Amino acid sequence: AQKITQTQPGMFVQEKEAVTLDCTYDTSDQSYGLFWYKQPSSGEMIFLIYQGSYDEQNATEGRYSLNFQKARKSANLVISASQLGDSAMYFCAISAGNMLTFGGGTRLMVKP
Amino acid sequence: SQTIHQWPATLVQPVGSPLSLECTVEGTSNPNLYWYRQAAGRGLQLLFYSVGIGQISSEVPQNLSASRPQDRQFILSSKKLLLSDSGFYLCAWSEGQGVEPQHFGDGTRLSIL
Repeated sequence: AQKITQTQPGMFVQEKEAVTLDCTYDTSDQSYGLFWYKQPSSGEMIFLIYQGSYDEQNATEGRYSLNFQKARKSANLVISASQLGDSAMYFCAISAGNMLTFGGGTRLMVKP
Repeated sequence: SQTIHQWPATLVQPVGSPLSLECTVEGTSNPNLYWYRQAAGRGLQLLFYSVGIGQISSEVPQNLSASRPQDRQFILSSKKLLLSDSGFYLCAWSEGQGVEPQHFGDGTRLSIL
């Protein structure tokens, strides 16, 4: 079974600053994927970034990067140059095969 | 490009009434399909997933059921809704092979009165 833990229920960040959202995971699978999703107040789940367990380089997608530390079983999301539109819930998820297990989420609030 | 449609966007139903939520995917074939429920302020809970027509796996025993009558159609149903069925329901799809991201519909907000 897989488990995702997001220990920050809510976070504030000043506009234009960088922010790190924490995610730790537990799995007995050797091959797995780690995902981050953004959920604005409108409700849709937006896929942000993916890291495979065998990828040696940290994934990056525009202002998003994933700080993957396999030995520590952590997959933190880093958002650079925060924007007001980044205010949302952020979910970390782990997959093995077809199944995704989500964490409880972190609410990010960007201050102008 | 692939798109996923989910309807209705909002639904208010009395306790004991039936339910049918529909989800369709365009632009891909033989996708994996999923139904999730999200309680207010919480993470997503996987309810059902399907890897092919007529193949449904249930993750949480409850009074809900799912069906996949066509390759790109996934339906969530109930014969008699309970108050505890209130929540935000999300449909998702992913490519059939390998570790692939899931892509979500816009969700249905279901309120049971």
